[in-house]
Amino acid sequence: ETGVTQSPTHLIKTRGQQVTLRCSSQSGHNTVSWYQQALGQGPQFIFQYYREEENGRGNFPPRFSGLQFPNYSSELNVNALELDDSALYLCASSPPQPGTVTGEQYFGPGTRLTVT
Amino acid sequence: AQSVTQPDIHITVSEGASLELRCNYSYGATPYLFWYVQSPGQGLQLLLKYFSGDTLVQGIKGFEAEFKRSQSSFNLRKPSVHWSDAAEYFCAVGAGYSSASKIIFGSGTRLSIRP
Repeated sequence: ETGVTQSPTHLIKTRGQQVTLRCSSQSGHNTVSWYQQALGQGPQFIFQYYREEENGRGNFPPRFSGLQFPNYSSELNVNALELDDSALYLCASSPPQPGTVTGEQYFGPGTRLTVT
Repeated sequence: AQSVTQPDIHITVSEGASLELRCNYSYGATPYLFWYVQSPGQGLQLLLKYFSGDTLVQGIKGFEAEFKRSQSSFNLRKPSVHWSDAAEYFCAVGAGYSSASKIIFGSGTRLSIRP
């Protein structure tokens, strides 16, 4: 069984540029969540995608956007990059859950984004 | 608002010694609680979870955690640590939001092992 994979591993961008990060969910998982982890901090929830629609969002500006595809893979797009966007971006997938149960999430290795 | 507090930023224990990492949460309903471990430069690995039932839950790598509702705590324990346990440990609470299932993380406790 393949786990959650993310690409690229590392990325260096300049302030003002745009970036796209990619995530492939674990087999059988239909929900993908994205988190930002700044150095020395815990991950912060950005948003979640379920059945190709955004299904919850954290306290992040609209320049953070995403997509989920029919195969449940996902992209995180960040426009107008700022220096504070430098962080480890983690993708997590979840298996189908009944109702509003919060299930466990399985994380990928992350993409390290550096904005200069 | 939901929150998680890990009061210890950094803990050092000797190899073979017992370990307890503290976690307190704030959540209005019955929480779903998790402990994750993160090795340097890596993603997060789920150690254990509590959803309901027995308040003492067993996880991988010999870890266990006890849910204490009266204290709003979910402390992680291990009877004998190994050098390979050195990592960052995150306590987290599942916060239902419509049908979303975001997880709120604490700020982490860094565990160092003394030979």
